Amino acid sequence: AQSVTQPDIHITVSEGASLELRCNYSYGATPYLFWYVQSPGQGLQLLLKYFSGDTLVQGIKGFEAEFKRSQSSFNLRKPSVHWSDAAEYFCAVGARGYQKVTFGTGTKLQVIP
Amino acid sequence: NAGVTQTPKFQVLKTGQSMTLQCAQDMNHNSMYWYRQDPGMGLRLIYYSASEGTTDKGEVPNGYNVSRLNKREFSLRLESAAPSQTSVYFCASSNARTSGSGDEQYFGPGTRLTVT
Repeated sequence: AQSVTQPDIHITVSEGASLELRCNYSYGATPYLFWYVQSPGQGLQLLLKYFSGDTLVQGIKGFEAEFKRSQSSFNLRKPSVHWSDAAEYFCAVGARGYQKVTFGTGTKLQVIP
Repeated sequence: NAGVTQTPKFQVLKTGQSMTLQCAQDMNHNSMYWYRQDPGMGLRLIYYSASEGTTDKGEVPNGYNVSRLNKREFSLRLESAAPSQTSVYFCASSNARTSGSGDEQYFGPGTRLTVT
């Protein structure tokens, strides 16, 4: 079975600083990988996803993520954080051939002025 | 186009009471999911329905039942609520096919349930 680890529970960054959120997965083959964002009191929204091909994936709101098979990682990055990026971010992994995905425990991002 | 809707938004139950959480989607998706979200635990899958007429257990199914009423609607029932079921419940849908855990899931706004 697949699993995903987000080692950082909380991260605080200054507005305008760069951001990297870590995600490590466990799966025997090439998985589907996702990043979702959850604003307070809301459901989750997809930021980006990786299926195959180019390992650098661009998403909405200026986010990108890089799939690194050798490190079993799919870290989320943004070059310059805005106050509106404060939210909780979830990494998720899906196994090919199955209907369901497994979510990480989330990383809560705080942005300070 | 409302996407995924859930009712109610908030609910308080006493231990032992029952209730049904309703979910509907208008995107013609074939797959639907129920998750619970607890602090520090992320989202855990309770049940899912890969297509109309089928349901399967997820990671934490105990204490819950589901019904896929039709392609649009997927309800979650708590027969005898317990304080451990205090949580935020999210319904989601996707167009996942047989090989399709790779399809994006669309989430409803959630139901905040408290069991006293």
